[in-house]
Amino acid sequence: QVQLVESGGSVVQPGRSLRLSCEASGFTFSEDAMHWVRQAPGKGLEWVAVIWSDGSNTYYTDSVKGRFTISRDNSKNTLYLQMNSLRAEDTALYYCARDGGFGVVTYRGPFDYWGQGTLVTVSS
Amino acid sequence: EIVLTQSPATLSLSPGERATLSCRASQSLNRFLAWYQQKPGQAPRLLIYDASNRATGIPARFSGSGSGTDFTLTISSLEPEDFAVYYCQQRTNWPPTFGGGTRVEIK
Repeated sequence: QVQLVESGGSVVQPGRSLRLSCEASGFTFSEDAMHWVRQAPGKGLEWVAVIWSDGSNTYYTDSVKGRFTISRDNSKNTLYLQMNSLRAEDTALYYCARDGGFGVVTYRGPFDYWGQGTLVTVSS
Repeated sequence: EIVLTQSPATLSLSPGERATLSCRASQSLNRFLAWYQQKPGQAPRLLIYDASNRATGIPARFSGSGSGTDFTLTISSLEPEDFAVYYCQQRTNWPPTFGGGTRVEIK
């Protein structure tokens, strides 16, 4: 069965960096686009970034452009999110999610499998 | 960016009742709208994609309809496990966006 397991979340000071990982299993990781979606405490869902199956293209939400980098290692079935210059407003539960690739492929979802999330808290 | 407005914010219903949730988009989505369910402490789960297609394993009591800017998620008869928060999400334009959610609570 499809499994996505995030790790790397922690408490970090503003301006510092953190790298999140998402280990995938149960499907052919190298064939699917992958996303990061976040959820601030008590709030709704916010899409963060996507990477194509072969890593050839990436897109980001405006608020993280220039600070966050999404990447993947298909030999390790692992997705990453490098987060630099962290701000208090980046505090959230970060989910990795698979792009369902249904019908017309847009690389904008829908997100058919999700991990359980890893918590990032940015605080001094 | 496309803004999705969900209504109502909270829906108070009893088990067995019909739930009707709305999602309105700031511009036409064609039919590229999905619905997710999220229970406390859990990740979201895909219910419906492309307006009306049920995802794998989703019970038939969940149905989606609509096109353009107005979409509806209907739960025909609420089961105890259906009380949760529901989000819509568009994949028409960058960036993909979510609605603010509708909480379905037990009356």
